[in-house]
Amino acid sequence: DSGVTQTPKHLITATGQRVTLRCSPRSGDLSVYWYQQSLDQGLQFLIQYYNGEERAKGNILERFSAQQFPDLHSELNLSSLELGDSALYFCASSVVLGLGTDTQYFGPGTRLTVL
Amino acid sequence: AQTVTQSQPEMSVQEAETVTLSCTYDTSESNYYLFWYKQPPSRQMILVIRQEAYKQQNATENRFSVNFQKAAKSFSLKISDSQLGDTAMYFCAFAYSGGGADGLTFGKGTHLIIQP
Repeated sequence: DSGVTQTPKHLITATGQRVTLRCSPRSGDLSVYWYQQSLDQGLQFLIQYYNGEERAKGNILERFSAQQFPDLHSELNLSSLELGDSALYFCASSVVLGLGTDTQYFGPGTRLTVL
Repeated sequence: AQTVTQSQPEMSVQEAETVTLSCTYDTSESNYYLFWYKQPPSRQMILVIRQEAYKQQNATENRFSVNFQKAAKSFSLKISDSQLGDTAMYFCAFAYSGGGADGLTFGKGTHLIIQP
């Protein structure tokens, strides 16, 4: 158990809908990362938040957005869902003390199926 | 942008054997970190080992060790005395050490099967 929690574990929805995925980082970690894992794209970095502020952006679609709240949990919002958005979505967290890179610890993931 | 290449889509070895998974990467940066993550059938991403590019000494964690060749941009993972529980997807990942701001760049993975 990495200490990172994600809810829900599974989500089934229809095209055009909007969903919210939730992540709670490890105790003491200030940074949250979101990743998408799909068969055709592999594991892709979407976005990073640090202490409530957006820190880095990866291959995140405009239909997707995220935020990090004062209690440091994060939510990933996916809207106007398409079949191709079906994937496993991971959240990871790290301390991020400054220079260098801290190890990222991953949550169990949310399996999204868009029908 | 950096790229990570894992040229072995699948490998299969007998239990107790030693196996080496290959990873090469391409970057113009001099300061970075490299990781191996394991993803068993449960789909959980588990850190196996980490290597800082500025360290010449290869990282070791129990039965897992790496061969880091910075000039060749190569980062292979050696698993000694392989066990059935080592069966998983293994991903090589790169992180730029630019103040902790950036996500990981992953390779496409190697599916390792340990046969009894």
